[in-house]
Amino acid sequence: QVQLVQSGAEVKKPGASVKVSCKASGYTFINYYMHWVRQAPGQGLEWMGKINPSVNTTSYAQKFQGRVTLTRDTSTSTVSMEMSSLRSEDTAVYYCATVIPPAWGQGTLVTVSS
Amino acid sequence: ENVLTQSPGTLSLSPGERATLSCRASQSVTSSYLVWHQQKPGQAPRLLIYGASSRATGIPDRFSGSGSGTDFTLTISRLEPEDFAVYYCQQFGSPPYTFGQGTKLEIK
Repeated sequence: QVQLVQSGAEVKKPGASVKVSCKASGYTFINYYMHWVRQAPGQGLEWMGKINPSVNTTSYAQKFQGRVTLTRDTSTSTVSMEMSSLRSEDTAVYYCATVIPPAWGQGTLVTVSS
Repeated sequence: ENVLTQSPGTLSLSPGERATLSCRASQSVTSSYLVWHQQKPGQAPRLLIYGASSRATGIPDRFSGSGSGTDFTLTISRLEPEDFAVYYCQQFGSPPYTFGQGTKLEIK
């Protein structure tokens, strides 16, 4: 079955960077976009960006442009999301997700605190 | 960006009742690119409906989606206890792929 398995929780200091990975299985990885979504505590869902694993093209929400980078490794069917210049407002659960086939990762809590 | 507004913010109903959730877009959305997600407390979201009206694999047929243009609806025909959750619509028509703010479906 389709599975997206994310890396574990992270605690970072303001100004640092974080990298969260998402390993896909159960489908042909390069055929479908991977999206990243975040959810601050008690808040709704926010779309961050997407990557086309086949041609390695990316698209980001303007809010995250220049601060978020999505990369992929086709040999391991893994997509990574790196965010730099972290601030307290970036404390959230970060999810990877595909629409086709429908799947969400389990989420990775990133806590930014001094 | 295409702003999605969901209503009501909270819906209080009893098991067995029918739920109707609305999602209105500020710009027209091609139906193929409107989806609904369900999220239970402490869990990742789950995609229920894609293409505005197609159920994802394994989703019970009490869930149905409809609509076009700027107005979309998620209907749950007879509520089961496990359906009480937060529901989000999302559009993939034009980036950024915005979400609605969510409708919380709670037990009355």
